Amino acid sequence: GIQVEQSPPDLILQEGANSTLRCNFSDSVNNLQWFHQNPWGQLINLFYIPSGTKQNGRLSATTVATERYSLLYISSSQTTDSGVYFCAVVGSGGGADGLTFGKGTHLIIQP
Amino acid sequence: ETGVTQTPRHLVMGMTNKKSLKCEQHLGHNAMYWYKQSAKKPLELMFVYNFKEQTENNSVPSRFSPECPNSSHLFLHLHTLQPEDSALYLCASSQDGGGQLTYNEQFFGPGTRLTVL
Repeated sequence: GIQVEQSPPDLILQEGANSTLRCNFSDSVNNLQWFHQNPWGQLINLFYIPSGTKQNGRLSATTVATERYSLLYISSSQTTDSGVYFCAVVGSGGGADGLTFGKGTHLIIQP
Repeated sequence: ETGVTQTPRHLVMGMTNKKSLKCEQHLGHNAMYWYKQSAKKPLELMFVYNFKEQTENNSVPSRFSPECPNSSHLFLHLHTLQPEDSALYLCASSQDGGGQLTYNEQFFGPGTRLTVL
C-alpha cells in the first residue's frame, strides 16, 4: 500500500515563530488531508488538499501531486498550535478507500 | 448534535466482556469508517462502509465486529479482547460519490478511549 512519511517527527519553537511541516507519499493520491490532534485525541480538519494551495488564517498548505509531497505552513505560532499534526492520504492505486496516516509531527510552541 | 459523535468516550473492560462502541454522523454522509490509534502504531484503518455495505476490512481480528444498520450509524462490537487492543478508536464519515474517482473529505468523531484489563 501507499507509504506516508512526515518530517520532522518533533519540533519545538518559540511563540511567534514560523514552521513548515512536510509530508511525502509514495504514490499518486486521490485525497490528502492535514489534521491537528488536540490533547484529548480529537482530529481537527485543517485542509483537504489533494493538489494546489490553500490558506486559512495563519495556516496554509501546498500539495505538489506530481512530486508527491505536501507542506503545511504555520505562521506566527501560538501556544494553542501545540499538538500533533497528521498528514493522511487515499492512494489512487486501487488500495483502501480509507485514509493512510503518517506518524505525525509533534509540535511544541513555548511561550 | 452536530458532526460526528461517539459513545462512550471512555471504556474499561475485562478480557471476557462484550461491549459495543457507537458512532453517529449528523452530516448526511453515506460512508463511515473505523480507525484505531494505539501507542505503538500510527493511526490505522480498520473498516470502511459505503452505502451501508462493508467495502474494506483491513485484516482486523474477528474479535472486532462492525455493524452499519444505516448510513448514519456505525457500531463496533467487541468481545474477548486482549490488553494490546487498548487504544483510541476513532470513527469518521465522508460523502462518497459512488464512483472510484470521488474521495471526499473525512470528518472524525472525538473517539472512544478503550482500556482492556
